[in-house]
Amino acid sequence: AQSVSQHNHHVILSEAASLELGCNYSYGGTVNLFWYVQYPGQHLQLLLKYFSGDPLVKGIKGFEAEFIKSKFSFNLRKPSVQWSDTAEYFCAVTSNSGGYQKVTFGTGTKLQVIP
Amino acid sequence: GAGVSQTPSNKVTEKGKYVELRCDPISGHTALYWYRQSLGQGPEFLIYFQGTGAADDSGLPNDRFFAVRPEGSVSTLKIQRTERGDSAVYLCASSEMLNSPLHFGNGTRLTVT
Repeated sequence: AQSVSQHNHHVILSEAASLELGCNYSYGGTVNLFWYVQYPGQHLQLLLKYFSGDPLVKGIKGFEAEFIKSKFSFNLRKPSVQWSDTAEYFCAVTSNSGGYQKVTFGTGTKLQVIP
Repeated sequence: GAGVSQTPSNKVTEKGKYVELRCDPISGHTALYWYRQSLGQGPEFLIYFQGTGAADDSGLPNDRFFAVRPEGSVSTLKIQRTERGDSAVYLCASSEMLNSPLHFGNGTRLTVT
C-alpha cells in the first residue's frame, strides 16, 4: 500500500525566508506526485504535479518541487515566502492501480508566515 | 465554470441519527471521490466512483457508511447511527479523467453531539 510522510507539521517563517517542506512516499511502482494547498477558509487546490520527465517541476505562485526517485522524496520549495503563503500544504501520491488513480495524502504541514 | 459544490456546509446532529451529505461535481467529471479529514490529519480516502458505480469503497470505515451516485453526477454520502467519532470534515472531489488532478469542494463539517 502507498503512504506519504510529511515530517514538518508546523512551520513558522518570516517573510522573504526560504521554504522547504519535506515529503517522502512509499510505493513500489510508478507514481504521480502532487502538492495541494489549502488557504484559510478555502478548499484544497492543486499547487503543482509531477507525472514524468523533468524531475524539477514548477507550480503556481513561485513554488517548485523536486522528485528524487532514489530518495522517494518530493520536497516543496520556494525561495522567498510571502505572508499570503500562510496555508496548509499537503503532499499526495497516486498510483494507477485497478484502472484508476488512488490518491493518498500526507498529514499536512501548516505554514505560518510572519510579516 | 462552477466548482465542486457540497451541501450542507455544516451539519450538527445527535448521536444515533442518520445524515446525508451531498456532492455536486464539476459537470463532465466522471470520477468522484469522498474523503474524510479529521483535525490535524490529511484527507483520508473513503470511496471512489467512476460513473455510477463505486469502483473502490475500501476506505469506508464500516457498514454504517454508504454512498451512491445513481445518475453518474451528484453523489450522496449516507451515515447511519452516527457516532461522535464520525465528527470530521467530509470532502468531495472530482476529476475529469485518469491522472487528472482532483478538484475539491469546500467540504461538509459534520459534528455529532
